[in-house]
Amino acid sequence: GESVGLHLPTLSVQEGDNSIINCAYSNSASDYFIWYKQESGKGPQFIIDIRSNMDKRQGQRVTVLLNKTVKHLSLQIAATQPGDSAVYFCAENNNAGNMLTFGGGTRLMVKP
Amino acid sequence: DVKVTQSSRYLVKRTGEKVFLECVQDMDHENMFWYRQDPGLGLRLIYFSYDVKMKEKGDIPEGYSVSREKKERFSLILESASTNQTSMYLCASILYPGSTEAFFGQGTRLTVV
Repeated sequence: GESVGLHLPTLSVQEGDNSIINCAYSNSASDYFIWYKQESGKGPQFIIDIRSNMDKRQGQRVTVLLNKTVKHLSLQIAATQPGDSAVYFCAENNNAGNMLTFGGGTRLMVKP
Repeated sequence: DVKVTQSSRYLVKRTGEKVFLECVQDMDHENMFWYRQDPGLGLRLIYFSYDVKMKEKGDIPEGYSVSREKKERFSLILESASTNQTSMYLCASILYPGSTEAFFGQGTRLTVV
């Protein structure tokens, strides 16, 4: 029969506010953790990565935090804009870097 | 700019048909991937390849096979399409093992009727 998909977690924020998107990972052996953004009708695009021996990395308007103790990754977007509306995926590389494994995704909706 | 091109944007096939999804990348990338994307389930890895003629199973390989005869081309094959393979299929490539920036195609939305 038909499989029923799970609901995609959704985060709704006001334009100009900061957004925090969270992700739990399972593989402690991954070298890198990565965030991707997928806009409607497009494939995912790389945003930022963080090496497993770091706990924070900043980019342009984005910050990624890694908490290895609780296996938690977050993406912070400063001054969220309508163009930030998308589905965000966390990912990790494993199998000696040959594989990229993705999480379930979070939909970010920005209210004007 | 890296370009990953999937041969079809939309495809409708009948149950039991053999289906080929083609993917080509133009930047001499080593690793290529096939994912399927379903609402709420994220991207699930079907197969990947790290070299010509080399392939490895991902998380959900059942019902699929792949072919990589040339470095730039990675094909996904549904030997006998079923309705539960209705999905969005995404191809991706990375420059070398360990690279974190994957480049994705635009996706193929496959409907099996």
